[in-house]
Amino acid sequence: DAKTTQPPSMDCAEGRAANLPCNHSTISGNEYVYWYRQIHSQGPQYIIHGLKNNETNEMASLIITEDRKSSTLILPHATLRDTAVYYCIVRVAGGATNKLIFGTGTLLAVQP
Amino acid sequence: NAGVMQNPRHLVRRRGQEARLRCSPMKGHSHVYWYRQLPEEGLKFMVYLQKENIIDESGMPKERFSAEFPKEGPSILRIQQVVRGDSAAYFCASSPTDAGNYEQYFGPGTRLTVT
Repeated sequence: DAKTTQPPSMDCAEGRAANLPCNHSTISGNEYVYWYRQIHSQGPQYIIHGLKNNETNEMASLIITEDRKSSTLILPHATLRDTAVYYCIVRVAGGATNKLIFGTGTLLAVQP
Repeated sequence: NAGVMQNPRHLVRRRGQEARLRCSPMKGHSHVYWYRQLPEEGLKFMVYLQKENIIDESGMPKERFSAEFPKEGPSILRIQQVVRGDSAAYFCASSPTDAGNYEQYFGPGTRLTVT
């Protein structure tokens, strides 16, 4: 699976959009970009995933660049409860193994 | 629809004892994954199972650790002769069988403390 690079930490004001970047310059054509988050001491939570088109769901939007070498997770109106470590993961969907390889992620701190 | 359930949530064992961690996947899910998170470290994959089969155990320590997912009942992660270094949070995740739908849904974790 491809390696991802994320900033170690970011701050965001409550009510503002949080934009979390991820670089995955070695991504392969059949690899998806997944985002999970882990709120302190809880199990990771799936947020969103995409292949090459931008995706949106009730939690967030995922913007993938045209060359697929980077992506941005957008939380449109961050709340204090969005404070968490956010993980960007690339993996082949439906491959022989479905394991997730977590990096160090980005600690997003939403400030009141 | 109940989420992934893990029990116990907290487990204390003395060195040398056995630890058994249980995971009940979401209804309709037949794929189970175990991850370990050591204190102040990231999540590490341990093992991936389908019903009655181990698919990928590349992250499992070679000794003392085993996992199963029987035809009936929860998945079990078993740690024999625990040592202090086994103290960690152990998370289970499950995914559905539908082709193309591979999100993993995580349970709340079991926090193992070895004294």
